[in-house]
Amino acid sequence: DAKTTQPTSMDCAEGRAANLPCNHSTISGNEYVYWYRQIHSQGPQYIIHGLKNNETNEMASLIITEDRKSSTLILPHATLRDTAVYYCIVRVAGGTSYGKLTFGQGTILTVHP
Amino acid sequence: DAEITQSPRHKITETGRQVTLACHQTWNHNNMFWYRQDLGHGLRLIHYSYGVHDTNKGEVSDGYSVSRSNTEDLPLTLESAASSQTSVYFCASTRTGLHEQYFGPGTRLTVT
Repeated sequence: DAKTTQPTSMDCAEGRAANLPCNHSTISGNEYVYWYRQIHSQGPQYIIHGLKNNETNEMASLIITEDRKSSTLILPHATLRDTAVYYCIVRVAGGTSYGKLTFGQGTILTVHP
Repeated sequence: DAEITQSPRHKITETGRQVTLACHQTWNHNNMFWYRQDLGHGLRLIHYSYGVHDTNKGEVSDGYSVSRSNTEDLPLTLESAASSQTSVYFCASTRTGLHEQYFGPGTRLTVT
């Protein structure tokens, strides 16, 4: 799996957009970008994933650069409940290592009132 | 609603005792995983299963075992608990073809 680099921590004001960056310069053509988050004392929660195109769901948007070497998770209107550790994970979707996630240290996002 | 549950949520045990942590999912997912989370290490994969009677070792499997006798359950056993196994344990499941994994609420285990 490709290595990812995320900032250790970020702050965001409630109601504003939170933009969380992730660098994955060694990503391979068949590797997806996945985002999970972990709210304090809870299990990780899937947010979104993408391969090449930008993606949007009810929780967030994922912007992947054209060269796929970096991506940004966007929470359009952050709330206090979005305070969590956000993990960017890059891996192939199937194969012999199917489903085996490798979590780094992630980004601690703190949303302020 | 379908869900994934873990029990117990908190457990204190003594060194050398055998401990079993339960994981139960009602999604009928064929793939199940056990992770542990420690400060400074993030989540690390212990064991995983791709179906009934299938089990595989993960990154940190020493001292742990799993068995898969049905689709819904993947119990994690610590054969002889050690203080180094004090951690928070998370179970997860997914169906082949799904991108997302669903995690349980976790079990906090303390070995004294």
